[in-house]
Amino acid sequence: SQQGEEDPQALSIQEGENATMNCSYKTSINNLQWYRQNSGRGLVHLILIRSNEREKHSGRLRVTLDTSKKSSSLLITASRAADTASYFCATDANQAGTALIFGKGTTLSVSS
Amino acid sequence: DGGITQSPKYLFRKEGQNVTLSCEQNLNHDAMYWYRQDPGQGLRLIYYSQIVNDFQKGDIAEGYSVSREKKESFPLTVTSAQKNPTAFYLCASSYRDRGQETQYFGPGTRLLVL
Repeated sequence: SQQGEEDPQALSIQEGENATMNCSYKTSINNLQWYRQNSGRGLVHLILIRSNEREKHSGRLRVTLDTSKKSSSLLITASRAADTASYFCATDANQAGTALIFGKGTTLSVSS
Repeated sequence: DGGITQSPKYLFRKEGQNVTLSCEQNLNHDAMYWYRQDPGQGLRLIYYSQIVNDFQKGDIAEGYSVSREKKESFPLTVTSAQKNPTAFYLCASSYRDRGQETQYFGPGTRLLVL
C-alpha cells in the first residue's frame, strides 16, 4: 500500500541548476520525510517536515508541505554531480502498529 | 561505530532452498524493518517489529519469515515458497522522538536465484 507517489519518475539536469521533486499522498499524516539512495546502497534520511509546518530548509534542501493538497516538494538548489541519486518521500501516520510508507522515488541525474 | 549492518552483501539461492539474511543494529532502536526493492521501484514492506518477541506482516509477507529474539537482531528468511525472490533487500531500524520516527538503513543484501 504505497501512499507517497513521487513526480517526476526521472529528472536530468546540468550542474548548477535546481532540481524539484514532488510527492503526493492519500491519507492524514503526522510528518513527511525525504530520503536519498545512491545506486545499490541503503537509504539515508535527509529531512523531516511535520504536518503543522509549511516549509523547512537544510543546507541546499528546501522542503514544502501542503496538507490541504496532500503534497510535498523537495527542492535541491545549485545541484552537483554528487546529488545524482534516487529520492524517496515517506509518510508517517504515527498510528500504533504502523510503519513509514515509501513512494516509488524520483531518479535524479546531474551531469557536469 | 554505531550503525546497522547487513550480511552478506550478495547471496545466491538455489531452487527449493531457504536462505537467511542477517540484520544487526547497535543503535538501541526498538523497531526494525525489512523491505524489498525491485529494479526502478520503491520499497515494499515485508515484515516489521516494534519490540522484541513481536513482529507484524507488511504488504508482501508471503514466502518470508522473521524472528526477533534480541533487540539487536532481526533476521529474514526467504523460504522456498517465495517464487520470485530476486531483489535487493533492505533492513532498517528506527526510534521515535517526540512522536517523530526516523529510519536508519543498512547497506542492503542483493539476492540472486541460480
